This record gives sequence, C-alpha cells and structure tokens, in this order.
Amino acid sequence: LAKTTQPISMDSYEGQEVNITCSHNNIATNDYITWYQQFPSQGPRFIIQGYKTKVTNEVASLFIPADRKSSTLSLPRVSLSDTAVYYCLVGDDNTGKLIFGQGTTLQVKP
Amino acid sequence: KAGVTQTPRYLIKTRGQQVTLSCSPISGHRSVSWYQQTPGQGLQFLFEYFSETQRNKGNFPGRFSGRQFSNSRSEMNVSTLELGDSALYLCASSWNDRGDYTFGSGTRLTVV
Repeated sequence: LAKTTQPISMDSYEGQEVNITCSHNNIATNDYITWYQQFPSQGPRFIIQGYKTKVTNEVASLFIPADRKSSTLSLPRVSLSDTAVYYCLVGDDNTGKLIFGQGTTLQVKP
Repeated sequence: KAGVTQTPRYLIKTRGQQVTLSCSPISGHRSVSWYQQTPGQGLQFLFEYFSETQRNKGNFPGRFSGRQFSNSRSEMNVSTLELGDSALYLCASSWNDRGDYTFGSGTRLTVV
C-alpha cells in the first residue's frame, strides 16, 4: 500500500506563513490532492483541493509540482485559531482508494 | 444547508456486543464513506457507498459492515466488539469522486 507522508508536527508564530508538505509517490494519475483541517472532537474540514500547479482560495494555497509526487499546503499569516491537525488526502494508484496522510499537528504560538 | 449528521455522538458498549452507527449525508450527495480514527492509526478508510452499492472497502475484518439506503443515508455495523474498536467513527459525504468530502462530527465509540 502506498504511503502518504507528512511531518508529525510543526510550530509557528502568529503572523507567519506556514508550509506543510505531503509526499505521495504512488498518487493515482487521475486523482486530486485534497487537504483537510481538524480540530479536537470534530470531523475534518475541507481546506483546498488541486490537481496540478497552484491553487489558491481565501484561506490557503496549494502547490503541486509537475510530477505530482508531493504537495505543499501554504497557510499565509497564521493565527492562534489555525492550531489544528492538517491532513492530505490522495488517491492511491495501486488500490484506487483515497488515503489520508498521518496528519501534521500545527501549533501556533503568540 | 444541513451538514452531515451522525448519530449517536457517543456510545459505550461492552466487548462482544454489536453496534450500529447512522449517517445522514448532505442532500444531493450520493457518495458516503466511513473512516475510523484512532490516536495511533490516524484516519483509516472503512468503506465507501454510492447509490446503495459498496464501491470500495478498506482493510478491516468482516465484523465491520455497512449499507446505504435509497435516500443515501448510511449505516455501519460492528459485530462482536473488541476493545480495539474504541475509536471515533467518521462519516463523510460527497457529490463527486475527487475526495472533497464533507465530514460529520463523528460517533465516539468506547468499548469496555
């Protein structure tokens, strides 16, 4: 089964830009890359989705290189309320299933 | 617009019992997926249903089963509960196959 790998944790300060990278070597050719945010005792919440190059919405940007074997979620000017766990979700080329990364716990400090 | 509704929110069961969890997707969403979340294993895919058919299944034993009804509501059942089944069970619905899910708040199952 393909591995989807993210850093376990990251620390940042308010106002900084945070970049979280997910490695997904066996991503399925036709599948999208999706990122989620999760707070304690809640279900994950959709942040952004992309297929290739760069996607931007009102809360984040997603950078995907040409080979699509990784993706980087960029959170501009984080605040304390961005403290959460962030997951990437990709389709696995071998199984056809959508696989979550193990999650990155982001701690934003004042 | 109503979100994904999961019931019950919390459940305590004894080893050996069985349990049924319910999920009502967002209106118009025909795909419903179930995930198990534990601190050690993260988000593990259980199964996906689309138009009442199981379209994909994760690597869980046969004690875990599910179904989807004609109104897209879904249930999952776990029989012969084990202590290790204690987890947050999350349901997610989607209108497409891209993985842009809307998740419910989950059912916290504790097996004692």
